Amino acid sequence: GQQLNQSPQSMFIQEGEDVSMNCTSSSIFNTWLWYKQDPGEGPVLLIALYKAGELTSNGRLTAQFGITRKDSFLNISASIPSDVGIYFCAGHSGGSNYKLTFGKGTLLTVNP
Amino acid sequence: NAGVTQTPKFRVLKTGQSMTLLCAQDMNHEYMYWYRQDPGMGLRLIHYSVGEGTTAKGEVPDGYNVSRLKKQNFLLGLESAAPSQTSVYFCASRLGGFIQAGYTFGSGTRLTVV
Repeated sequence: GQQLNQSPQSMFIQEGEDVSMNCTSSSIFNTWLWYKQDPGEGPVLLIALYKAGELTSNGRLTAQFGITRKDSFLNISASIPSDVGIYFCAGHSGGSNYKLTFGKGTLLTVNP
Repeated sequence: NAGVTQTPKFRVLKTGQSMTLLCAQDMNHEYMYWYRQDPGMGLRLIHYSVGEGTTAKGEVPDGYNVSRLKKQNFLLGLESAAPSQTSVYFCASRLGGFIQAGYTFGSGTRLTVV
């Protein structure tokens, strides 16, 4: 099956620092999504990307859909303690069942 | 508006016992999905449904069964629980049509099989 390679697996940063994480795949995806999971909760959608090369922002978050359609990255600027959580990338390659393939997640820890 | 509700939130089972996890959504979503989350493994699709009365296998379906008798409910069953099924289970739903709608997730069921 399709796989997404998400890196890094974990990050420990100081409050105020910028963060960057990415996902790569050997397969082409038509849509890239980024989710955040707070402890004890389900994932929540942060950003959705629909076109190759697209750059989209949501507050301090910026994500890009790679031109090759095989990668995507997420940047968080000026991190704050509430950014702590697991960030997942997800891709959709087409098909009417709308199944998503998820990366294994990046665990972000922000030290105040 | 509750969104996606999962019950129970926590459960401990003995090996060989059976149980059913319930997912209910009040958003009139067509598609529903069951995922399991294990440390270092991300989210893996167990089964999914594209509409009332339909179900299909996902990536890791063995040991699980599902039913979608009503549009708003998606049930995940474990007939004979095994320790390998210890995990956090998430249900998700989405509208039909565009992928842009994304998934709405429940808050999860933490299952331990001893």
